[in-house]
Amino acid sequence: EVQLVESGGGLVQPGRSLRLSCKASGFTLGDYAVSWFRQAPGKGLEWIGFIRSKAFGGTAEYAASLKGRFTFSRDDSKGIAWLQMNSLNTEDTGVYYCARKKGFVDYLGQGTLVSVSS
Amino acid sequence: QTVVTQEPSLTVSPGGTVTLTCASSTGAVTSGHYPNWFQQKAGQAPRPLIYSANIKHSWTPARFSGSLLGGKAALTLSGVQPEDEAEYHCLLYYGGPWVFGGGTKLTVL
Repeated sequence: EVQLVESGGGLVQPGRSLRLSCKASGFTLGDYAVSWFRQAPGKGLEWIGFIRSKAFGGTAEYAASLKGRFTFSRDDSKGIAWLQMNSLNTEDTGVYYCARKKGFVDYLGQGTLVSVSS
Repeated sequence: QTVVTQEPSLTVSPGGTVTLTCASSTGAVTSGHYPNWFQQKAGQAPRPLIYSANIKHSWTPARFSGSLLGGKAALTLSGVQPEDEAEYHCLLYYGGPWVFGGGTKLTVL
């Protein structure tokens, strides 16, 4: 069974950093790109970006508004992808989802909640 | 900044038909935007329904269909069921970044 499980969310103060994890099971993570989305409370989805598979260079695309603060990485041997978030502010509060992508997104995780507050 | 626009809310009767649309501030939505549609029920993660405008995932019920209509991406539900009440999100590709619409809250009443 394909599963993606996000973790690492929690309460963090403004200006601090947080690293989210996305653990894959039931398939080979290395065969897929990993996309990241987020959803602020009561709002729509926001595309954060994605990291390509090694076969496609392992490079990443980021939403322009987040580039420079957010960074993707992956360890295919462990089946894990990460989202490093720096200089967090209150507008970064929301549920963060990872998804697998091979041309299109087909499976998402259940999400992890990030709350940025003093 | 590119904006993708969806109807904020729609209401449909059980058994009825409804079309949700997804418009781009840059002009007509085409197959090159690879429109995706996601369904999100209250308290749940989004679930992909449609990709590349009209291709269904294996779990997508037959009553859901995607198309390009009048310069927009469209999601049509035919024979709506009560369990179709949800938020529907479209996602468009812009040659690098992808952009979500604001979502449509579909009420089945």
